Amino acid sequence: EIVLTQSPATLSLSPGERASLSCRASQTVGDNLAWYQQKPGQAPRLLIHDASIRATGIPARFSGSGSGTDFTLTISSLEPGDFAVYHCQQRSDRPPVYTFGQGTKLEIK
Amino acid sequence: QVYLVQSGAEVAKPGASVKVSCKTSGYIFTTNYMHWVRQAPGQGLEWMGCLNPKSGDTHYAQNFQGRVTMTRDTSSNTAFMELTRLKSDDTAVYYCGRSLYSGSYNWFDPWGQGTLVTVSS
Repeated sequence: EIVLTQSPATLSLSPGERASLSCRASQTVGDNLAWYQQKPGQAPRLLIHDASIRATGIPARFSGSGSGTDFTLTISSLEPGDFAVYHCQQRSDRPPVYTFGQGTKLEIK
Repeated sequence: QVYLVQSGAEVAKPGASVKVSCKTSGYIFTTNYMHWVRQAPGQGLEWMGCLNPKSGDTHYAQNFQGRVTMTRDTSSNTAFMELTRLKSDDTAVYYCGRSLYSGSYNWFDPWGQGTLVTVSS
């Protein structure tokens, strides 16, 4: 099973700052990686899929990069609504298997 | 607009079963896979499996093989997830999530609002 490790576990930043969240896979996943945002009491929301494609309606300040085993979610300038937990997810299709990282909590400094 | 509306919170005893529903609207139900994911309190996300609403075919995560059954009712555009032989560590919020694109498993968007299942004697 592919294990995803997210770092840091908690990231403390201020509005307007740049955030970089890391997700590392235990073996290559190509570009089969997504990022989700989850706010307290809410379901996750898809932000980025296929490593770098923004989902519909996601602001341009969110960007994804990487391939293989190392991936980064970057938020260029934090807004108050961006403070949440971020999950990375990988998929393989034959058969379908999905795993998630343990999450990074982005909190207000 | 695509909507996934899940059934309400459940309390079940250890050893019992629970069945969660996910009623969809805003798209053709049979064109997109439906996934189920759970999240234990304070924990991360765990994929449970997926359902092809057109054929009824399913794929289950190894951790849930033998205990989970995913089904659908195409007349009401509703997907179901039943988990049997419940244990206390099955206490979690259970989510349904539609595949982003039709015809393949791909990514999960949108998600239902979640259903809290509490397993307690």
